[in-house]
Amino acid sequence: LAKTTQPISMDSYEGQEVNITCSHNNIATNDYITWYQQFPSQGPRFIIQGYKTKVTNEVASLFIPADRKSSTLSLPRVSLSDTAVYYCLVGPNSGGYQKVTFGTGTKLQVIP
Amino acid sequence: GAVVSQHPSWVICKSGTSVKIECRSLDFQATTMFWYRQFPKQSLMLMATSNEGSKATYEQGVEKDKFLINHASLTLSTLTVTSAHPEDSSFYICSARAAGLAEKETQYFGPGTRLLVL
Repeated sequence: LAKTTQPISMDSYEGQEVNITCSHNNIATNDYITWYQQFPSQGPRFIIQGYKTKVTNEVASLFIPADRKSSTLSLPRVSLSDTAVYYCLVGPNSGGYQKVTFGTGTKLQVIP
Repeated sequence: GAVVSQHPSWVICKSGTSVKIECRSLDFQATTMFWYRQFPKQSLMLMATSNEGSKATYEQGVEKDKFLINHASLTLSTLTVTSAHPEDSSFYICSARAAGLAEKETQYFGPGTRLLVL
């Protein structure tokens, strides 16, 4: 399982764009990159997933360079409600059995 | 979207008693379910993986006789903490992996169960 490295914490003001980078140097060919958001005392919530280049949905964008050894989650114009822990996970997305390992995550604090 | 529920959402029990936590996939069939434990200010730690109709696979350091997992149907997995002790107090989270699901999401997580052992 690919190990991931993220900053432990980040602060941002409301309305700013936040970019959280995750390193995964030993990512495998069939691995996808998935980001989850977790609020205190809640289960993780899926944000976005990608394999290469750029993926965008209604809440975030995911940038993946050609070597796929890192990825960046971009949250546009954050609000106070975006204060949470963000996890970057790497693993295969096919087949019935797979397990992923959660890293430390990045605690994002949005400041008014 | 796919929804996973857990019951109860929180439980307080006396030391030495057993507690059962249910994890249900509400609108899809889950061939694989995962159980995690999360201590305060820490990340999720995978405890075990259960596949419907077969024995669970436990992670290293997790006692299978203490944390009994049953995945009897494609929509239900249970985790029983036997002879609970205060150090078992934690936030338990399950997730489910759906068979043949077209979406790219890897796992669907439940809301978690807070266990407090007195």
